[in-house]
Amino acid sequence: KAGVTQTPRYLIKTRGQQVTLSCSPISGHRSVSWYQQTPGQGLQFLFEYFSETQRNKGNFPGRFSGRQFSNSRSEMNVSTLELGDSALYLCASSPFPGTENTEAFFGQGTRLTVV
Amino acid sequence: DAKTTQPTSMDCAEGRAANLPCNHSTISGNEYVYWYRQIHSQGPQYIIHGLKNNETNEMASLIITEDRKSSTLILPHATLRDTAVYYCIVRVNGANSKLTFGKGITLSVRP
Repeated sequence: KAGVTQTPRYLIKTRGQQVTLSCSPISGHRSVSWYQQTPGQGLQFLFEYFSETQRNKGNFPGRFSGRQFSNSRSEMNVSTLELGDSALYLCASSPFPGTENTEAFFGQGTRLTVV
Repeated sequence: DAKTTQPTSMDCAEGRAANLPCNHSTISGNEYVYWYRQIHSQGPQYIIHGLKNNETNEMASLIITEDRKSSTLILPHATLRDTAVYYCIVRVNGANSKLTFGKGITLSVRP
């Protein structure tokens, strides 16, 4: 069974630009969560999607948004990029949100560098 | 805020057991203890989770104290590939998939 696939793996953008990251969950998984990891703040929850609906959102500005498609694939978008948005963005998938014995499987992440 | 407290780092010799402690003194009755690890430059990897009973799988054992205020992750025979940051997380199952990561403990396995 294929794992969680995130594309692209690496990305360099300029301040003020916008970026879209993609996540394909494990086949059959319907819940997708996004996390941001930086050296200073560690791993922080961005948002969670299930059945094309945002179920939970972390404490990030509105520049960060996401969506989920009917095939459970998800994208996240960051507009008006700032230097501080440079981070590893991780996607995690699970069959159903927060149910018993349902661990999250993480992708390898997208390394975003804003210059 | 993370609800767990872990030492910053520890090391152990290859082949020996690695015992990673975690304090979660404010854990609620319906919160599970989860352990994940993150090897450098990779996404976090699920290891094990439990509610109140001790658990064991092919990767590790989880020992939860009777009062559930602390737990220990045991890697029975640590290898160099177990060098990673280990995160102890408490979470209510059934609510959502959000994981609140703390700083974790850096385990260094030495040859």
